[in-house]
Amino acid sequence: EDQVTQSPEALRLQEGESSSLNCSYTVSGLRGLFWYRQDPGKGPEFLFTLYSAGEEKEKERLKATLTKKESFLHITAPKPEDSATYLCAALPEDTGRRALTFGSGTRLQVQP
Amino acid sequence: EAQVTQNPRYLITVTGKKLTVTCSQNMNHEYMSWYRQDPGLGLRQIYYSMNVEVTDKGDVPEGYKVSRKEKRNFPLILESPSPNQTSLYFCASSSGQSNQPQHFGDGTRLSIL
Repeated sequence: EDQVTQSPEALRLQEGESSSLNCSYTVSGLRGLFWYRQDPGKGPEFLFTLYSAGEEKEKERLKATLTKKESFLHITAPKPEDSATYLCAALPEDTGRRALTFGSGTRLQVQP
Repeated sequence: EAQVTQNPRYLITVTGKKLTVTCSQNMNHEYMSWYRQDPGLGLRQIYYSMNVEVTDKGDVPEGYKVSRKEKRNFPLILESPSPNQTSLYFCASSSGQSNQPQHFGDGTRLSIL
């Protein structure tokens, strides 16, 4: 069974305090690993796609990396506006459904 | 602006009263999908559509119907809603290539009493 586990469930950081969020996945034939940001009352907002182990993507203070079992979302010198829930989702091998397997998310709070 | 639009955003209704949640996208995407989000369970796929007139079940399809008569619209129908369908619902769309990211609407919060 495909499974995605995110840790920690919640993380509180001071502004400028860098950290990493973890996403462990077990899927049959990973075709893509996606990171989304979700703000309260909003839908998931796409951040990154990673397709193969060793790949890295960056956007402002965020960097996503991928290994064969895990993905990390590194947050460098976060600001209060980075506060959100970060979701990781894996796309397993082609069944036609393109059903993303989501983790339960990491709630990040960045305090000024 | 490229977007996925859902309506209504909030709805409180009673058991057994048929309801429809609309979803529309303006990106000319072939693929559309419905998910529900429940605490501790993450997002789970309800139904999906590969293109017009092509729909199929996802992981949790019981109690739901969909249709895809036009490329841009993908309504979710609850013919006889029950309290266990109280949830936060998201519509998503993506382009033709299967490993492209899905783009989500802002959600519909349904409460079935």
